[in-house]
Amino acid sequence: GQNIDQPTEMTATEGAIVQINCTYQTSGFNGLFWYQQHAGEAPTFLSYNVLDGLEEKGRFSSFLSRSKGYSYLLLKELQMKDSASYLCAVKDSNYQLIWGAGTKLIIKP
Amino acid sequence: IAGITQAPTSQILAAGRRMTLRCTQDMRHNAMYWYRQDLGLGLRLIHYSNTAGTTGKGEVPDGYSVSRANTDDFPLTLASAVPSQTSVYFCASSDDEGSGEQFFGPGTRLTVL
Repeated sequence: GQNIDQPTEMTATEGAIVQINCTYQTSGFNGLFWYQQHAGEAPTFLSYNVLDGLEEKGRFSSFLSRSKGYSYLLLKELQMKDSASYLCAVKDSNYQLIWGAGTKLIIKP
Repeated sequence: IAGITQAPTSQILAAGRRMTLRCTQDMRHNAMYWYRQDLGLGLRLIHYSNTAGTTGKGEVPDGYSVSRANTDDFPLTLASAVPSQTSVYFCASSDDEGSGEQFFGPGTRLTVL
């Protein structure tokens, strides 16, 4: 079967750095996405990785290792507005997205 | 319209009733999707359409139907609602270029009693 695993909840302090991990087992791989979802709102796109390595976009970076079936999202200089759920999704061999359950990130002052 | 819209925002429905959730996008994206999101679970694909005139079944299609008469609209119909269909429903669209990232509508919160 297909499976995306990520921690259910994480807590971090304002101004700090946090790393959210995602491991996957899917039938085929055509890219990995990270989305941010604030409570009561729709998911919004953060990043896309299709090759191994690190993609940096401002305070957010995303890393991919295809051989390990592993990705992480790194958030730097945390702000209170970063409190949200972070969703990992993999595009499988049918080009459909398989979604993890999401990691709820709580930022404390 | 800018982006992707859904209607209604929320709805309370009696079991056994028929309900259509509406979704419209103005980005001229070929692909559209319907997901449901339940607490503790990832987004689950109900139905999708790769282009106008075609549709396909996702992971949880039972009890739902869709149509894609044109590029912009992708309605989702519950023929006879049941309480297990209580959920938040998101419509999304994507184009064929680049990463193919999906853009989401604001969602419909549906409660079936």
